[in-house]
Amino acid sequence: DTGVSQDPRHKITKRGQNVTFRCDPISEHNRLYWYRQTLGQGPEFLTYFQNEAQLEKSRLLSDRFSAERPKGSFSTLEIQRTEQGDSAMYLCASSLGGGGAFYEQYFGPGTRLTVT
Amino acid sequence: AQSVAQPEDQVNVAEGNPLTVKCTYSVSGNPYLFWYVQYPNRGLQFLLKYITGDNLVKGSYGFEAEFNKSQTSFHLKKPSALVSDSALYFCAAAFSNTGKLIFGQGTTLQVKP
Repeated sequence: DTGVSQDPRHKITKRGQNVTFRCDPISEHNRLYWYRQTLGQGPEFLTYFQNEAQLEKSRLLSDRFSAERPKGSFSTLEIQRTEQGDSAMYLCASSLGGGGAFYEQYFGPGTRLTVT
Repeated sequence: AQSVAQPEDQVNVAEGNPLTVKCTYSVSGNPYLFWYVQYPNRGLQFLLKYITGDNLVKGSYGFEAEFNKSQTSFHLKKPSALVSDSALYFCAAAFSNTGKLIFGQGTTLQVKP
């Protein structure tokens, strides 16, 4: 257990429905990242927050995706009008950060999304 | 484009033998390099990192990795493999102040008794 939790662990939804995932990072970590992992591939960066500010979004993050970290603590990732291509494992990670230093990221167990 | 490559989909080794899992990177500037391990139904676990300094870095569970700038490589090594080391291993690099990671495609390590 890395200390990063994600909820739910599994989500099955029908195409066109909206889904929301939650991530609770390690409490003292100011950075929070979302990644997507499909079978047989490494995780791909989606977006990241430093405190409550969303500082970077990948081109993978279409307009149907939105992420928030309202108080600089937990984060949510929402997918609207889900498509079958959204089926993947969604990973959250947190780390310390800033000041030019590099810190390792600690990953949660992931939320596996299946769109039928 | 910045990228990380793991040229082997699978590495097989006998228990007690040394193991190497290969990683190369393509980047402009200095990368910050990481190794993670993923067990079935578990999240990614951090093993070790290279930021600066000594090219040989030591990490968790007896793993180590050697940074080679001229060969743009960061191979993961362990002197004596255990069956419990069998898992999926990812090499990753961070290229910017954001700390966002670019991952290789992963290498499955199978350690046989």
